[in-house]
Amino acid sequence: DAGVIQSPRHEVTEMGQEVTLRCKPISGHDYLFWYRQTMMRGLELLIYFNNNVPIDDSGMPEDRFSAKMPNASFSTLKIQPSEPRDSAVYFCASTRDRDNSIIGTEAFFGQGTRLTVV
Amino acid sequence: AQKVTQAQTEISVVEKEDVTLDCVYETRDTTYYLFWYKQPPSGELVFLIRRNSFDEQNEISGRYSWNFQKSTSSFNFTITASQVVDSAVYFCALRILTDSWGKLQFGAGTQVVVTP
Repeated sequence: DAGVIQSPRHEVTEMGQEVTLRCKPISGHDYLFWYRQTMMRGLELLIYFNNNVPIDDSGMPEDRFSAKMPNASFSTLKIQPSEPRDSAVYFCASTRDRDNSIIGTEAFFGQGTRLTVV
Repeated sequence: AQKVTQAQTEISVVEKEDVTLDCVYETRDTTYYLFWYKQPPSGELVFLIRRNSFDEQNEISGRYSWNFQKSTSSFNFTITASQVVDSAVYFCALRILTDSWGKLQFGAGTQVVVTP
């Protein structure tokens, strides 16, 4: 199993530019999560999908952030326009139902994308 | 609201010492799961263990052990005979049934530094 694959691993961009982060979940997983990790706020959930449908996007900081999941094997997180305060490590994670519930299932995380906005 | 507190920011030990990481959680729900994840210097988050709210049995896996006590809302993690490879940030997390099912509430993490 290849695990959750994120790209790019590192991204440096200038303020105002559009940034797109990509994620390929583990095959067969029907839940996908985007997390952001910063020193100030720790790990916070931005959005998650179930069967490609966004379920909870209450963690998305503002309209500059958008996420899509066009199919079961691909998701993007886009920031437009980017700002220095968006600098963070962005993690994608996936998991699957177990007995019609994911409450007890562990999420498998990708290696993250370290975003730096200058 | 649910909350996870890891009061220890950093713990430094010498190799072969034991180290215990504290995790205290808050929730009004009776059904929930607790998790521990490890984040080594390479950056990825590695799942270590989960425990449901109805199972207070402690668990041991090699040098790792977990002590779950509902009476004190704690889910502590002990590394016995620590090794340099244990150096990492360790996160405790909580997921409850009635909240957005996907949401893992993480603690702030505890940095463990093991020196030779």
